[in-house]
Amino acid sequence: AQSVAQPEDQVNVAEGNPLTVKCTYSVSGNPYLFWYVQYPNRGLQFLLKYITGDNLVKGSYGFEAEFNKSQTSFHLKKPSALVSDSALYFCAVRDYSGGYQKVTFGTGTKLQVIP
Amino acid sequence: EAGVTQSPTHLIKTRGQQVTLRCSPISGHTSVYWYQQALGLGLQFLLWYDEGEERNRGNFPPRFSGRQFPNYSSELNVNALELEDSALYLCASSGGLSVGRSEAFFGQGTRLTVV
Repeated sequence: AQSVAQPEDQVNVAEGNPLTVKCTYSVSGNPYLFWYVQYPNRGLQFLLKYITGDNLVKGSYGFEAEFNKSQTSFHLKKPSALVSDSALYFCAVRDYSGGYQKVTFGTGTKLQVIP
Repeated sequence: EAGVTQSPTHLIKTRGQQVTLRCSPISGHTSVYWYQQALGLGLQFLLWYDEGEERNRGNFPPRFSGRQFPNYSSELNVNALELEDSALYLCASSGGLSVGRSEAFFGQGTRLTVV
């Protein structure tokens, strides 16, 4: 069974500092990995995805994520945090094994950027 | 292209009542996922439908049920509402075998308040 872990419930970072939100995964086949962001009282918005190719993936709003197969990780990063980045972030994995396209989400990490 | 649409956006129900939430996926998507999100916390997986069948179910009591119609739209039914059912209910859709359509897209959610 596939799974996603986000080990940190909350991450605090000062504005202008680099940020990292951690995600590890477990799948039986090849992982398709995603990051989503959720602002208060809204649905989730897609940020970026890794399917294949370059391990460093660039997405919306200056975010990027690095796929590390040996560590089964897909951490979300941004070189310089903005107060407006404060939100809830979800990592997700999709496994194409078995012919069904199930998506599994992590429990979410609250990012707080401090002015 | 229209996104995932959910109705209603807000709902207030009395404890013990029944409620039906609706979701229309993006055109061409065959999978629909339902999640419960209480108090801005993490996503709790409820149900996954694909091609009209229930593919997986989260750890929720049987009073949470649903179905997917031939046009891939979906309903979530909750019977005998309890106060702790108050939450944001999110629907997401995904589908397509091509890589470019592999991510899930979310609706804006239905905010259910049980009083």
